[in-house]
Amino acid sequence: DQQVKQNSPSLSVQEGRISILNCDYTNSMFDYFLWYKKYPAEGPTFLISISSIKDKNEDGRFTVFLNKSAKHLSLHIVPSQPGDSAVYFCAASARSSANSNSGYALNFGKGTSLLVTP
Amino acid sequence: DAGITQSPRHKVTETGTPVTLRCHQTENHRYMYWYRQDPGHGLRLIHYSYGVKDTDKGEVSDGYSVSRSKTEDFLLTLESATSSQTSVYFCAISENTYGYTFGSGTRLTVV
Repeated sequence: DQQVKQNSPSLSVQEGRISILNCDYTNSMFDYFLWYKKYPAEGPTFLISISSIKDKNEDGRFTVFLNKSAKHLSLHIVPSQPGDSAVYFCAASARSSANSNSGYALNFGKGTSLLVTP
Repeated sequence: DAGITQSPRHKVTETGTPVTLRCHQTENHRYMYWYRQDPGHGLRLIHYSYGVKDTDKGEVSDGYSVSRSKTEDFLLTLESATSSQTSVYFCAISENTYGYTFGSGTRLTVV
């Protein structure tokens, strides 16, 4: 049962425009959310995160928005660049309800493949 | 990624043979994880470890076993490989609740 859902398998955006990647979750215990970026033949790399006590976190061109009532978060990339073309994974964890033996395991969505065209 | 290496990077094996994948870290992180990535499924947790000799199952643990005899090494074993275990396997490490660092992955093909 997928607790983190990324319903758009792919997204194509023109260079310079905004990319918006969406993520929904079902587990109300999730309190920490992350986005990972993955290039082919490489491991995922951490991009940006947000705690449930916030509704926005910004890091350069990347902003994550969290809407807890809707159990929805989104990643905005502005302006999009061709080097942003990659698969983006949304992930969530329930830190406050976890214990040190649970490993604080992350639940991942299926990913969205972003293509930024020149 | 720096501090975490997976070996081998690629492997082709026959159905029914045992296979062991290795994850090695130099970060001295407490937590280690094995995930598999498949088209249409994203990243799914196989097993994880929260200390030496301390391991637990993830959501897709059937057919896999793990061992962690040292802080730096986390081994994933397929006792008898099946075609359904053809996948890309990622190891990850973490010291706290704030996310993972992933290895570069092992592409396993079971023929």
